[in-house]
Amino acid sequence: EAGVVQSPRYKIIEKKQPVAFWCNPISGHNTLYWYLQNLGQGPELLIRYENEEAVDDSQLPKDRFSAERLKGVDSTLKIQPAELGDSAVYLCASSAEGTGDTDTQYFGPGTRLTVL
Amino acid sequence: GNSVTQMEGPVTLSEEAFLTINCTYTATGYPSLFWYVQYPGEGLQLLLKATKADDKGSNKGFEATYRKETTSFHLEKGSVQVSDSAVYFCALSENQAGTALIFGKGTTLSVSS
Repeated sequence: EAGVVQSPRYKIIEKKQPVAFWCNPISGHNTLYWYLQNLGQGPELLIRYENEEAVDDSQLPKDRFSAERLKGVDSTLKIQPAELGDSAVYLCASSAEGTGDTDTQYFGPGTRLTVL
Repeated sequence: GNSVTQMEGPVTLSEEAFLTINCTYTATGYPSLFWYVQYPGEGLQLLLKATKADDKGSNKGFEATYRKETTSFHLEKGSVQVSDSAVYFCALSENQAGTALIFGKGTTLSVSS
């Protein structure tokens, strides 16, 4: 079974430029998460989707960040415009309801963003 | 609010040494507890989990026991290997489907031969 796929793995941009990250969750997983991981820190939730609905976006900085999950499968996270402080690793994770493993989240490899 | 506190690293050990990484938590209700591992250049991988008090999670020689009385979930391994060098994260989630994980800051383990 394929794991969570993210692309790109690395991205370097100049400040004020836009950037987008893509995530494809594990097949059949209806819950999708985007986390932000700063250097030397644990991941922190940005947004959580149940199918195509964003059910928790309270930590998403909505002035510059946006996300979508059309059709309840793939998801895209966008930053516009990027700031120096956005340099971090952006992690995508997914989990499945209706199984005995509903609280286990499976993570992708992440996208490492560097803003110059 | 809910939180996780891990011992600060780095932890440096020789091969075959005993490992303990301390983790304590603050939570309302009865959370599920997790240890994730992040190898260099890779994403987070679930190492083990426990969903209720006194449960012991185990995997690849690692163990952790859910201690409600001390609100702890310490990670242990009897004999570490060089290949165990990684960053280890303790995490909790409210015990219901689809809630976000709350992570500790991570502990870097370096094992030398």
